[in-house]
Amino acid sequence: AQSVAQPEDQVNVAEGNPLTVKCTYSVSGNPYLFWYVQYPNRGLQFLLKYITGDNLVKGSYGFEAEFNKSQTSFHLKKPSALVSDSALYFCAVRDRRMYSSASKIIFGSGTRLSIRP
Amino acid sequence: SQTIHQWPATLVQPVGSPLSLECTVEGTSNPNLYWYRQAAGRGLQLLFYSVGIGQISSEVPQNLSASRPQDRQFILSSKKLLLSDSGFYLCAWSVYEGRPEAFFGQGTRLTVV
Repeated sequence: AQSVAQPEDQVNVAEGNPLTVKCTYSVSGNPYLFWYVQYPNRGLQFLLKYITGDNLVKGSYGFEAEFNKSQTSFHLKKPSALVSDSALYFCAVRDRRMYSSASKIIFGSGTRLSIRP
Repeated sequence: SQTIHQWPATLVQPVGSPLSLECTVEGTSNPNLYWYRQAAGRGLQLLFYSVGIGQISSEVPQNLSASRPQDRQFILSSKKLLLSDSGFYLCAWSVYEGRPEAFFGQGTRLTVV
């Protein structure tokens, strides 16, 4: 069964400092991996995805994520945090094999990112 | 371009009343469709997903059901709401090839009183 773990409920970072939001996953085979951001009372916005190739994936708003197959991790990173990055972040996983239940997309529990001025 | 519509944005319903939330997608055909529930601003729980008309997979046994009467329409229903059904309900769509990520509607805040 697919699962995603985000071990930190909250991450606090000073503006201008680098940030990391952690994610580990469990899925058979090679998964698709995603990061999303959610602002209060809104739907989720897609940030970036890992499909194949380079383990460092670049996405929207200066975010990037590093895929590590041996550690089954997909941590979200940003070199310099902004106050406007404060939001709820979700990691998600999808099995890439072509059968009906591969359409399932499973999300982690979310990490609240707080950037202080 | 593709768009997803989800309504209503907010809903207050008494315990025991029925529920119908609707979601429609435009600009794509044969999408995978999803219903998620988010409790208290935290994690997303996958409730139902569908790979085609009339094909519904349920992830969690509960007081809810889903239907897909048309290719791009996904409906979440309940015959009798419980207090525990309160939450933020999100509809999403995806395809397989090239763009495996899901795209979300703006959500429905359901409060059962």
